[in-house]
Amino acid sequence: ETGVTQTPRHLVMGMTNKKSLKCEQHLGHNAMYWYKQSAKKPLELMFVYSLEERVENNSVPSRFSPECPNSSHLFLHLHTLQPEDSALYLCASSQDRANNSPLHFGNGTRLTVT
Amino acid sequence: TQLLEQSPQFLSIQEGENLTVYCNSSSVFSSLQWYRQEPGEGPVLLVTVVTGGEVKKLKRLTFQFGDARKDSSLHITAAQTGDTGLYLCAGAGNGGATNKLIFGTGTLLAVQP
Repeated sequence: ETGVTQTPRHLVMGMTNKKSLKCEQHLGHNAMYWYKQSAKKPLELMFVYSLEERVENNSVPSRFSPECPNSSHLFLHLHTLQPEDSALYLCASSQDRANNSPLHFGNGTRLTVT
Repeated sequence: TQLLEQSPQFLSIQEGENLTVYCNSSSVFSSLQWYRQEPGEGPVLLVTVVTGGEVKKLKRLTFQFGDARKDSSLHITAAQTGDTGLYLCAGAGNGGATNKLIFGTGTLLAVQP
């Protein structure tokens, strides 16, 4: 089992759909993250959870709603998305949320909004 | 706002050639990480450099952190097709309780056989 697993790998959804991205980490880490990766732009941090508590929300539109039910699982609930939200969504975990704690990434969900 | 500029943006070379990728900022970082992202996968950590002037080697890869901790470079000797991927640098700011790595713009490397 790989360290950080994301499902689905690919997702196509219409602007009126509701879908969820799932992330699971098997590393015993205490912090989990959602990042957005768009073409020609640096990785954008969206949300940070530490011990299941949200500690960072980087001005992300409310159409993205994270959920962290326990330290191993992280969800990103999507509704009424826009075409510009199409991107690779990466989940990551780290031992703790110390400033230089290395990140372990999943392979991402490639999201296309039509 | 802290920014990390990577150069070049794209690089296509033949197997066996050497190359250097640069990561520059006007900001000081407490440490800097390098990641490689292969097609269809997430980024994987290669190395963390912490001390100004530090040099770390990982087989054919040599990483250097600038003396002022504002820049870094990655040198690959005798590139192989397996080195193909997106190289990302990420700087950790000074202080702060939350891991808010600032990622660079990336260098896409293609090594041709």
